[in-house]
Amino acid sequence: DAMVIQNPRYQVTQFGKPVTLSCSQTLNHNVMYWYQQKSSQAPKLLFHYYDKDFNNEADTPDNFQSRRPNTSFCFLDIRSPGLGDAAMYLCATSRNIAGGPETQYFGPGTRLLVL
Amino acid sequence: SQKIEQNSEALNIQEGKTATLTCNYTNYSPAYLQWYRQDPGRGPVFLLLIRENEKEKRKERLKVTFDTTLKQSLFHITASQPADSATYLCALDRGDYKLSFGAGTTVTVRA
Repeated sequence: DAMVIQNPRYQVTQFGKPVTLSCSQTLNHNVMYWYQQKSSQAPKLLFHYYDKDFNNEADTPDNFQSRRPNTSFCFLDIRSPGLGDAAMYLCATSRNIAGGPETQYFGPGTRLLVL
Repeated sequence: SQKIEQNSEALNIQEGKTATLTCNYTNYSPAYLQWYRQDPGRGPVFLLLIRENEKEKRKERLKVTFDTTLKQSLFHITASQPADSATYLCALDRGDYKLSFGAGTTVTVRA
């Protein structure tokens, strides 16, 4: 089945120690997104890629970076995780249809714990 | 500033009843609105999309309405079942392939 896969499902890191979260998709969608979701809050968009074009949200901290080496894979790098970065990180994809609505397909998420 | 508000309280209902969830927004003019379901510890799953020129959309036991004058969408689950227990998120089109999500309403259906 076509899907969005996130690894690992749970990640524990230490305060200040860089961490990378992975996302892959078999949907061949051209847009990929990273969201941060804290308990009982709305998913917050961090950035997205339209093909290779990177689009950062204005309020995304510099501590968060992303890479998309090809259509299928996207990575979220947190350079120096703080306690406030503990959250669920969701990867999503969508297929851009010119002028059309964008339904997003989400992965299962990676739960990040910062000690 | 732009704001999306969903029922602040969790919804507890008896099996077989209709659950009605609200999504209100300000300072948006979305071309469409979507509803997603999110189970604990999982990613959201798309349920329904309604465009600004549509008043109502149905899918099986789900119904969505969209009132652009009131800036409100209602989401109904009819003949609810315990398996419908989840958090339901509304999402508004921001343009440029992006969505803004509400914080969700948690629904618990009692058998």
